[in-house]
Amino acid sequence: ETGVTQTPRHLVMGMTNKKSLKCEQHLGHNAMYWYKQSAKKPLELMFVYSLEERVENNSVPSRFSPECPNSSHLFLHLHTLQPEDSALYLCASSQEPGTGASTDTQYFGPGTRLTVL
Amino acid sequence: GENVEQHPSTLSVQEGDSAVIKCTYSDSASNYFPWYKQELGKRPQLIIDIRSNVGEKKDQRIAVTLNKTAKHFSLHITETQPEDSAVYFCAASGGYQKVTFGIGTKLQVIP
Repeated sequence: ETGVTQTPRHLVMGMTNKKSLKCEQHLGHNAMYWYKQSAKKPLELMFVYSLEERVENNSVPSRFSPECPNSSHLFLHLHTLQPEDSALYLCASSQEPGTGASTDTQYFGPGTRLTVL
Repeated sequence: GENVEQHPSTLSVQEGDSAVIKCTYSDSASNYFPWYKQELGKRPQLIIDIRSNVGEKKDQRIAVTLNKTAKHFSLHITETQPEDSAVYFCAASGGYQKVTFGIGTKLQVIP
């Protein structure tokens, strides 16, 4: 599938494991996002990268560590997670016209369903 | 920060009837309002959006209205079909790359 892809699609990990989620966008966009989607809660913005620089970090615990090596790839490194971190993690991308401009349409990946035991 | 409230949380309609989902926002600086549809097990996908310089936008059976004074916007789906069944999210944005989502509305269209 083209557009925004995420791997793995499903992940089960123990609380002491270290794993990484990967996102790749094929749209030529310059901004990428990580969201957490939990049942009966709004989508929670976790991190924003624009031109490979982190511009937003919404008080996310340090057990989540993002990495954006280039404008097409985004990672979320996970370690010592808690069961309440179980959720669908969505990546998105958008094309920002320039500094200070309002947000444009975000395109989402299929998500990684994470279960922490 | 921005706060977006969305109602109702669940909505059941008969096939062919109309469905309306309403959202309110708090930040008067918000100027972009997208709506996303998320089918079960799939990614959210943009279905329609509106910017603050427009009061209404229509795309076939889907329309969105915006009242900037009252800070609310609504999604209208006419002639609903079973394939319209999904969770719909509204969102508001005004800051740089910052989008705040509503909690979602689960729409069920009964054949």
